[in-house]
Amino acid sequence: DAGVTQSPTHLIKTRGQQVTLRCSPKSGHDTVSWYQQALGQGPQFIFQYYEEEERQRGNFPDRFSGHQFPNYSSELNVNALLLGDSALYLCASSILPTVTGELFFGEGSRLTVL
Amino acid sequence: AQTVTQSQPEMSVQEAETVTLSCTYDTSESDYYLFWYKQPPSRQMILVIRQEAYKQQNATENRFSVNFQKAAKSFSLKISDSQLGDAAMYFCAYTGTVDSNYQLIWGAGTKLIIKP
Repeated sequence: DAGVTQSPTHLIKTRGQQVTLRCSPKSGHDTVSWYQQALGQGPQFIFQYYEEEERQRGNFPDRFSGHQFPNYSSELNVNALLLGDSALYLCASSILPTVTGELFFGEGSRLTVL
Repeated sequence: AQTVTQSQPEMSVQEAETVTLSCTYDTSESDYYLFWYKQPPSRQMILVIRQEAYKQQNATENRFSVNFQKAAKSFSLKISDSQLGDAAMYFCAYTGTVDSNYQLIWGAGTKLIIKP
């Protein structure tokens, strides 16, 4: 049973560029959440997708956008990259939006902005 | 706004000994869930244990147990018989059923070092 898979695992961009990160949820899961984890910190919630719609959003600017496809996979897009966007981006999947926290995480995409 | 605080940036313990990681939180919600997640060097967050606020009994999962003090808003994790594979970052997290619905609010983490 494949777990949550994310791609790419590492990438380097320069300021002002745009990046797209991808996530495939665990088999049977229909909800995807994205978190940003800066170095040495806990994750911060970016947004959650369910039924191809953004259901909840954290305190992130509009430069951060996403999408969910009919097969439940998801993309995170970040425009006009800033140095402060350097972080580990974690994708988590679940069965339905849930408050119980039964999330399954991928290994993340490490973004470095130079 | 809900907050989660982990006051121990790093803890170390001898293999086979017991260690306790601390977590406090602040919320005005009455119905919520608390979690401990483990993040090894592989970076993948793994759920260690979960506690539902309306349950008075402390959760236990094998060598892992919690001390949930609702009035004090404290949620500590005890690891018994520590093993080398327990070495990781440990994060305390919170989610509520009203204000923070659908999202986890995380502490800054505690790095656990296991000494052989």
